[in-house]
Amino acid sequence: QQQVKQSPQSLIVQKGGIPIINCAYENTAFDYFPWYQQFPGKGPALLIAIRPDVSEKKEGRFTISFNKSAKQFSLHIMDSQPGDSATYFCAAPSDYKLSFGAGTTVTVRA
Amino acid sequence: DTGVSQNPRHKITKRGQNVTFRCDPISEHNRLYWYRQTLGQGPEFLTYFQNEAQLEKSRLLSDRFSAERPKGSFSTLEIQRTEQGDSAMYLCASSSWTSGRGTGELFFGEGSRLTVL
Repeated sequence: QQQVKQSPQSLIVQKGGIPIINCAYENTAFDYFPWYQQFPGKGPALLIAIRPDVSEKKEGRFTISFNKSAKQFSLHIMDSQPGDSATYFCAAPSDYKLSFGAGTTVTVRA
Repeated sequence: DTGVSQNPRHKITKRGQNVTFRCDPISEHNRLYWYRQTLGQGPEFLTYFQNEAQLEKSRLLSDRFSAERPKGSFSTLEIQRTEQGDSAMYLCASSSWTSGRGTGELFFGEGSRLTVL
């Protein structure tokens, strides 16, 4: 039932490193690809999103790369900081709701 | 701050008891969602409302679960005869999603954590 498949499950990087999280989808009708960020004890919050008419979008240190032919999109966290340690979810829309990936826990060590 | 509010934040109950969670969405949002999240997993869709109408229910939502949004404002999620497998974080989200394609942003509350002993 999962509409998007996310990898890896977890990631540990040193401060300043670039964690990369990947997400694959099947439904070519998807036209919006968001990433959500969740801190412990909090609900997920929208981090950044992309539409398939562009291949890359940057917001601050966060970048989405979109590969339409491979049906994949990825999140890059540039110059990662300990405060970026969180769980990240990709998602895809379907009938006015979002289906989420299983999540990637990113740990940034100082 | 008038974000999405959920109560209670934590609930511990014994198997077989009924529990009810409340969600107060962002006031101008017409859509309200319930998701369930277990440890190490992403949020799983349960159901959603457009105003007071419940438009979709997941197969995850057994007949022990019922959700209402009586006046198109706050919503309640009731679980009857709780089972240990119901232990999870129950997340509420709201949105002003209106277009037929694409999506509006979902604004999540901090969740209600249920532990069934």
